[in-house]
Amino acid sequence: GAGVSQSPSNKVTEKGKDVELRCDPISGHTALYWYRQSLGQGLEFLIYFQGNSAPDKSGLPSDRFSAERTGGSVSTLTIQRTQQEDSAVYLCASSIHTGTGNEQYFGPGTRLTVT
Amino acid sequence: GENVEQHPSTLSVQEGDSAVIKCTYSDSASNYFPWYKQELGKGPQLIIDIRSNVGEKKDQRIAVTLNKTAKHFSLHITETQPEDSAVYFCAASLANAGKSTFGDGTTLTVKP
Repeated sequence: GAGVSQSPSNKVTEKGKDVELRCDPISGHTALYWYRQSLGQGLEFLIYFQGNSAPDKSGLPSDRFSAERTGGSVSTLTIQRTQQEDSAVYLCASSIHTGTGNEQYFGPGTRLTVT
Repeated sequence: GENVEQHPSTLSVQEGDSAVIKCTYSDSASNYFPWYKQELGKGPQLIIDIRSNVGEKKDQRIAVTLNKTAKHFSLHITETQPEDSAVYFCAASLANAGKSTFGDGTTLTVKP
């Protein structure tokens, strides 16, 4: 079946502009995660959605970052007034909590470049 | 919160040799430990995972061991091949809830 998809695959924007990144999780997966990966670095947790519960926003680096998940499926990560330090690959993952594990399925990422 | 440390950050081995990557975690409540492989330009993909009720799990050339007392777990790759070259991430979490905490990754290079 289809995996996690993300769009766009690449985004170049000017400093100060707003950007929206989209994630389509695997159908039926109740949990959705956003991570940021800077060049050669590890995965930095940003935000986590689980069903209808309030999202865990503890990883968002500033109030310029926000995310929503509509209808328990598609999610959009919005970065306002982008800065050069926002340049990174933004990864989305989804999982289905079975009670025995929460294997995450990752999308290919969106590479954001802020000039 | 959980803290995961991963070592080494880079590892270079000759084709056919074994590779070992080690991770430690801080939260004794964590009970799910996956390992992900990330190839260039792609998202991480799960390669093996272990739950806290077992000490070792094997899948062909890959094995993971877990020591809950010491709070560390390791990935073992035997008979390495050039296609094993990638970045490997360990993670720790609760099996039924919440986010995973990832290590910083290990860049494995297998030289032919």
